Amino acid sequence: GAVVSQHPSRVICKSGTSVKIECRSLDFQATTMFWYRQFPKQSLMLMATSNEGSKATYEQGVEKDKFLINHASLTLSTLTVTSAHPEDSSFYICSAIIAGGTEAFFGQGTRLTVV
Amino acid sequence: RKEVEQDPGPFNVPEGATVAFNCTYSNSASQSFFWYRQDCRKEPKLLMSVYSSGNEDGRFTAQLNRASQYISLLIRDSKLSDSATYLCVVGWVRNTPLVFGKGTRLSVIA
Repeated sequence: GAVVSQHPSRVICKSGTSVKIECRSLDFQATTMFWYRQFPKQSLMLMATSNEGSKATYEQGVEKDKFLINHASLTLSTLTVTSAHPEDSSFYICSAIIAGGTEAFFGQGTRLTVV
Repeated sequence: RKEVEQDPGPFNVPEGATVAFNCTYSNSASQSFFWYRQDCRKEPKLLMSVYSSGNEDGRFTAQLNRASQYISLLIRDSKLSDSATYLCVVGWVRNTPLVFGKGTRLSVIA
């Protein structure tokens, strides 16, 4: 299957700092990528849809100025958590769907801990 | 009403048992259906797609009932390695994000 690489897999940062998470499609082009967040014992919740070359679409309740998404190429989308706080500690996962397909391929996820 | 609902479990079953999970979805326009498996602290991985005619992959059988908006997953001859959380996932149209259920936790016990 297609490969999506997400980096870093784990990060610990101080409150108030910013963290960038990268999501790359290694063997296919992804015009659209999705960013999810998962809190312990909760389901994956969609945060935003990242479209190559245009502004991301954010779900209700997700602050676009706090979670900056950039999708500058067909193989790379980044999520930057700005001014992180402990309540932002979570498991962040990106996914991509091959154009015209239906199966979602997931990155390995990033476990963010804000102290 | 939640879009995709699953019994969270946990289901604790002995090795060799047969176990069934159910899932309901609220959007009647949904077009694609999947079961994903998620191990602790890992990303979800596709287990199988679900087709209207029902489909089987080894010990796993998935069924879809569009009229009742209901999806099921049957696991036969459970193995210890089947222990995981099983996510019911529904899609609308291509290139739109998938909607995930909260997952059903399965523990297979020796």
